[in-house]
Amino acid sequence: SQQGEEDPQALSIQEGENATMNCSYKTSINNLQWYRQNSGRGLVHLILIRSNEREKHSGRLRVTLDTSKKSSSLLITASRAADTASYFCATATMDSSYKLIFGSGTRLLVRP
Amino acid sequence: NAGVMQNPRHLVRRRGQEARLRCSPMKGHSHVYWYRQLPEEGLKFMVYLQKENIIDESGMPKERFSAEFPKEGPSILRIQQVVRGDSAAYFCASSPGYDEKLFFGSGTQLSVL
Repeated sequence: SQQGEEDPQALSIQEGENATMNCSYKTSINNLQWYRQNSGRGLVHLILIRSNEREKHSGRLRVTLDTSKKSSSLLITASRAADTASYFCATATMDSSYKLIFGSGTRLLVRP
Repeated sequence: NAGVMQNPRHLVRRRGQEARLRCSPMKGHSHVYWYRQLPEEGLKFMVYLQKENIIDESGMPKERFSAEFPKEGPSILRIQQVVRGDSAAYFCASSPGYDEKLFFGSGTQLSVL
């Protein structure tokens, strides 16, 4: 079974709104990463957050990590049509920290 | 500094043929990963290699699939005697070290007729 699962599976919002995606995982992690994938393309790294960190920011992106609940969230503020993509969380577990296990992703549609 | 290069971009094979997928990691990266993705799904880990060594191949089927990352040249994912179920997008990623972010190639879309 998947280590990480995103919620919701699909999200449709209006341009300018905020988008929040959640990720839950099962086993203790070394770090958690978020990636973005445009249709038919490779994945692009967004943010890496380590198990001893609680929050990280990068531009319009904010990631939080709650290790007690084994969950993370990705917030995209002031969304743009160009943010339309699939977003994946990926976890590196404590016993295999070299190996990223991906969730099934959230498909985000930002309507102009 | 060129990114991760994968070729071919599209590969069509008939059942029973061999498929060879190539991946050149970013300059200075010695860690290579192969993932497989089906439509509307996440990426499934296949294999992790360092130069001349397979570190973890737990996600790769024991039969028909093999991977290598030689001292010189690209990493190769080889699928022998392909079947329709092998049709998928295969992504390669590289990183400069252990426990770091991955840089992905654009993938190879394998279609088995």
